Amino acid sequence: LAKTTQPISMDSYEGQEVNITCSHNNIATNDYITWYQQFPSQGPRFIIQGYKTKVTNEVASLFIPADRKSSTLSLPRVSLSDTAVYYCLVGENDYKLSFGAGTTVTVRA
Amino acid sequence: GAGVSQSPSNKVTEKGKDVELRCDPISGHTALYWYRQSLGQGLEFLIYFQGNSAPDKSGLPSDRFSAERTGGSVSTLTIQRTQQEDSAVYLCASSWGLAGSYEQYFGPGTRLTVT
Repeated sequence: LAKTTQPISMDSYEGQEVNITCSHNNIATNDYITWYQQFPSQGPRFIIQGYKTKVTNEVASLFIPADRKSSTLSLPRVSLSDTAVYYCLVGENDYKLSFGAGTTVTVRA
Repeated sequence: GAGVSQSPSNKVTEKGKDVELRCDPISGHTALYWYRQSLGQGLEFLIYFQGNSAPDKSGLPSDRFSAERTGGSVSTLTIQRTQQEDSAVYLCASSWGLAGSYEQYFGPGTRLTVT
């Protein structure tokens, strides 16, 4: 079970880009990297998943360096509604993924 | 189509009573997960089902906790003789396969309060 480390909190302002870096030094060869977003009083919601290099969807981008020991979730031009907790998970054929404490992102006007 | 649903949404019970929490996964999803989330904390894995089988029950906090899944669909998490430390939000998720590779779809959770 790969262990991940991410900042506890980050503050930003509307319209800025937010980058959250997750460290996963013992990632295994076949592990994927997945990010979830959780709003208060709701279950987590899938944001993006990647294996290497860069993945982009309509919500975010995920940057993964060649050594895959870290990954960065990039949220472009955040708004107040992006205030949430963001979780980084690493695993492949795992049913027991660790959500940890996540990163609380607060977007201010 | 419909997402993952959970019932009840809120449950207040007295210490020592039994409670039953229900999860209806997305139709066709073979994998089902239960998590517990205490206030301000991350998610704590409880149990995973592949079909009706739970290969690993080690995440259940104590023998007061049990879970079952029938027909490869609905799952029930039962907590016997509830204690105040059981108070938390219980989340259910389902997916097409194992969580490491497949997106998990979460329900809204059941908020359990033990008085």
